[in-house]
Amino acid sequence: QLQLQESGPGLVKPSETLSLTCTVSGGSISSSSYYWGWIRQPPGKGLEWIGSMYYSGSTYYNPSLKSRVTISVDTSKNQFSLKLKSVTAADTAVYYCATLHRLLDCFDHWGQGTLVTVSS
Amino acid sequence: QSVLTQPPSVSAAPGQKVTISCSGSSSSLGNNYVSWYQQLPGTAPKLLIYENNKRPSGIPDRFSGSKSGTSATLGISGLQTGDEADYYCGTWDSNLGAVGFGGGTKLTVL
Repeated sequence: QLQLQESGPGLVKPSETLSLTCTVSGGSISSSSYYWGWIRQPPGKGLEWIGSMYYSGSTYYNPSLKSRVTISVDTSKNQFSLKLKSVTAADTAVYYCATLHRLLDCFDHWGQGTLVTVSS
Repeated sequence: QSVLTQPPSVSAAPGQKVTISCSGSSSSLGNNYVSWYQQLPGTAPKLLIYENNKRPSGIPDRFSGSKSGTSATLGISGLQTGDEADYYCGTWDSNLGAVGFGGGTKLTVL
C-alpha cells in the first residue's frame, strides 16, 4: 500500500521560499499510474490544488500559483518536492502531498499533512 | 471562489439518508469525472467516490455518487455519528487547466 509522508519547516518568514518534501513508500515514484502533487488547506478553509507532476517531468500547476511554484521529483530517493517562493501570510496552510491517479482522475493516496505557518 | 459549489452544511438524524450537491460548469463537471472526499476532524481527506459513482475498496455501499450534466450528488445512507465530517467534491476544469474542489460541506449527524 502506497504511503506518503511530508517533511519540512513548520515556520517560514514572509518573502522567503517554502520547501517541503514528500517521501513515498510502498511503491515507486517511477510508477506510470500516478501524478505526484500537492494540495493545501488554510486553517478553517477548503482544499486548494497546487500542482502535480509525472515522474518523467510533465507538470501541471494551479494557474493562480504557477508563477511561484516548482514541483520536482527525485527518483533516486523516491521523493518529490514543493517549492513556493515569495510567501505571505496567505500561504499559511496545512500542506498535503497526494497521488493523482492518471486513469481514475482522483486523489487516491494522501499524506497526513504538515502545517506551515508564514510569520516573522 | 471555488470551481465547484457545495452547500456549507447539511444535517440529518442517525439512520437517515442525506445528499450533498456539487454544482459546476460545462468545462468542469460537464466534461470530466467527479470524485468525492471525506475529511474527518483533524485528519487528511480520504477518497470516497471516483469516476462519478465508483467506490474504492473498503468504502461501504452506504456511500453513493451520481452525476448528471454539470451537477453531482453524494449520498450517504444509514447515517452514523462517525460520518460527521467535511465532504469535498473535486474535478478537472478544462478551461482553467486546473483541478478544482468545492468549498466543502460539513455534515452533522444530529
